[in-house]
Amino acid sequence: DTEVTQTPKHLVMGMTNKKSLKCEQHMGHRAMYWYKQKAKKPPELMFVYSYEKLSINESVPSRFSPECPNSSLLNLHLHALQPEDSALYLCASSPGLLGGYEQYFGPGTRLTVT
Amino acid sequence: SQQGEEDPQALSIQEGENATMNCSYKTSINNLQWYRQNSGRGLVHLILIRSNEREKHSGRLRVTLDTSKKSSSLLITASRAADTASYFCATTQGAQKLVFGQGTRLTINP
Repeated sequence: DTEVTQTPKHLVMGMTNKKSLKCEQHMGHRAMYWYKQKAKKPPELMFVYSYEKLSINESVPSRFSPECPNSSLLNLHLHALQPEDSALYLCASSPGLLGGYEQYFGPGTRLTVT
Repeated sequence: SQQGEEDPQALSIQEGENATMNCSYKTSINNLQWYRQNSGRGLVHLILIRSNEREKHSGRLRVTLDTSKKSSSLLITASRAADTASYFCATTQGAQKLVFGQGTRLTINP
């Protein structure tokens, strides 16, 4: 199974809501990533998990809270978001770190904050 | 910060023609990767070329790397409508961080 799955595909939430994005992979990869992508822009790294521990936080606002419950799952908890947080949120995984590995991306969650 | 800059930003060609897109970067790299993204979807890894390699092929794809000029190119031969997508180069900063270029939007006209 060489697939990264993400749920939900689409999410509309108000600024006072709390929601979560989910990502799952069963490739035995030990590194997992969250990216944010605005329209016609490249993906921007948000968080990196390595062996279930947070390895990189790219100065992301605290209204985004990542969680890695186990080696296959990655969550992104959302709270009190702003309209400018509307974007495509991509999850990815790779066999390891050290920059020598390709990343496998999920299809993304299209988030709209109203 | 975005390490890679891609050229052109948009490219429109006829089916069957070859498409070439370029990527320039600023700092030393261990490897450079190319990804494809169909509209509004996830990215698909195309090819990885290491800093000690000059050229790499995969099917209709040919990637070159010139570390002296800090540049790479992606050539897609005999293009098809299904090649319509955005193409991103990506380099690694530090051990863990993949940084993407601005991308080239490729349109293949039937």
